[in-house]
Amino acid sequence: QSVLTQPPSASGTPGQRVTISCSGSSSNIGNNFVYWYQQLPGTAPKLLIHNNNQRPSGVPDRFSGSKSGTSASLAISGLRSEDEADFYCAAWDDSLRALVFGRGTKVTAL
Amino acid sequence: EVQLVESGGGLVQPGGSLRLSCTASGFNFSSYWMTWVRQAPGKGLEWVADIKEDGSEELYVDPVKGRFTISRDNAQKSLYLQMNSLRAEDTAVYYCARDSNVIGLDIWGQGTMVTVSS
Repeated sequence: QSVLTQPPSASGTPGQRVTISCSGSSSNIGNNFVYWYQQLPGTAPKLLIHNNNQRPSGVPDRFSGSKSGTSASLAISGLRSEDEADFYCAAWDDSLRALVFGRGTKVTAL
Repeated sequence: EVQLVESGGGLVQPGGSLRLSCTASGFNFSSYWMTWVRQAPGKGLEWVADIKEDGSEELYVDPVKGRFTISRDNAQKSLYLQMNSLRAEDTAVYYCARDSNVIGLDIWGQGTMVTVSS
């Protein structure tokens, strides 16, 4: 069982808004930054969001992150077929002294 | 170009050892923490180990403590993962990644596959 809880799947039609949740605790999300990684099929993960809601250069602004208390979410506004991927949330856990990942959410464009 | 390239993966018997390497280019390697992350077939990401810029601090996930050792050679711009007493559950693609402190794991290698099987 992962320390961070994500839904296994999410979907939407092209153009729709899709949201992925990530639930943790006070030792991880509640006290540290949240990161989101996108893994396209057959490729290495890529940093999508850092420091809860910051996009690295080159990441489209249709991706946005937020955090409230011990939960975080990733939103994809205007879903595109090329966004189909696995998305992982991550945060440092002060109790485990480890970086913890959620189990990942597979996003499908219907 | 900023790049990380892993090597050293392969098939090893349970109880065996393997040493993974990761060669960096395009950035000041000695200024960053470095990380190993693994992904078992069909599964999610699992953080394995971190090493400080100068190698003076190492962190490990519990399942690999006492079996894996992370190290680095800043002169060679290389990161290593020595894996001993390998188990079937260590079978995974192993990625090295640059840890840009609060920015997160911003550069990833392509991964190297480790298969532990008799």
